[in-house]
Amino acid sequence: GAVVSQHPSWVICKSGTSVKIECRSLDFQATTMFWYRQFPKQSLMLMATSNEGSKATYEQGVEKDKFLINHASLTLSTLTVTSAHPEDSSFYICSALRQGSDEQYFGPGTRLTVT
Amino acid sequence: QKEVEQNSGPLSVPEGAIASLNCTYSDRGSQSFFWYRQYSGKSPELIMSIYSNGDKEDGRFTAQLNKASQYVSLLIRDSQPSDSATYLCAVKGGGGDYKLSFGAGTTVTVRA
Repeated sequence: GAVVSQHPSWVICKSGTSVKIECRSLDFQATTMFWYRQFPKQSLMLMATSNEGSKATYEQGVEKDKFLINHASLTLSTLTVTSAHPEDSSFYICSALRQGSDEQYFGPGTRLTVT
Repeated sequence: QKEVEQNSGPLSVPEGAIASLNCTYSDRGSQSFFWYRQYSGKSPELIMSIYSNGDKEDGRFTAQLNKASQYVSLLIRDSQPSDSATYLCAVKGGGGDYKLSFGAGTTVTVRA
């Protein structure tokens, strides 16, 4: 158990457009999910904490109006990168916290390229 | 001072040897500790969690925790080429949230 999916696995978009990334916990419920970004050769950077039914909590320096997070159900969180620019190109990874546990399980990631 | 520090690596070991990975953390109130494996171009995969002082074994992996020294380690016995990856140490702080602090990772290469 503890499978997390992400869709799409990769996306190429033009500068100025918006991209939505979905994160689903497939075999467990997750009241809390996390969104990370990872640049090449660097460690994970937490962007925000997504709580089901409430507003996301963003880390310092992350623009909440640019990275819109919605956690509408116990198995789905979405991250929308609005007005994407080439500097937003990165590997975006979500993780889900299994209820009753403090173990985070990661999705396979979404590779975003903005041209 | 970084919250979670790992030995920088890269670490190269021959096949069949033991790979030893170290991690120190700064938040003395931390209670939960995790090791993730990340293959190049992939997302992290949870391989071990440890909560109490001492050793915890799972197959070829052994995690060791010493809260007094604020130190956690991972041993990989009988290393295989498939173990070649970056290993991330992650620590859940003593606060009420579930956020993890990650180390920069140690890259392990197992030579066949």
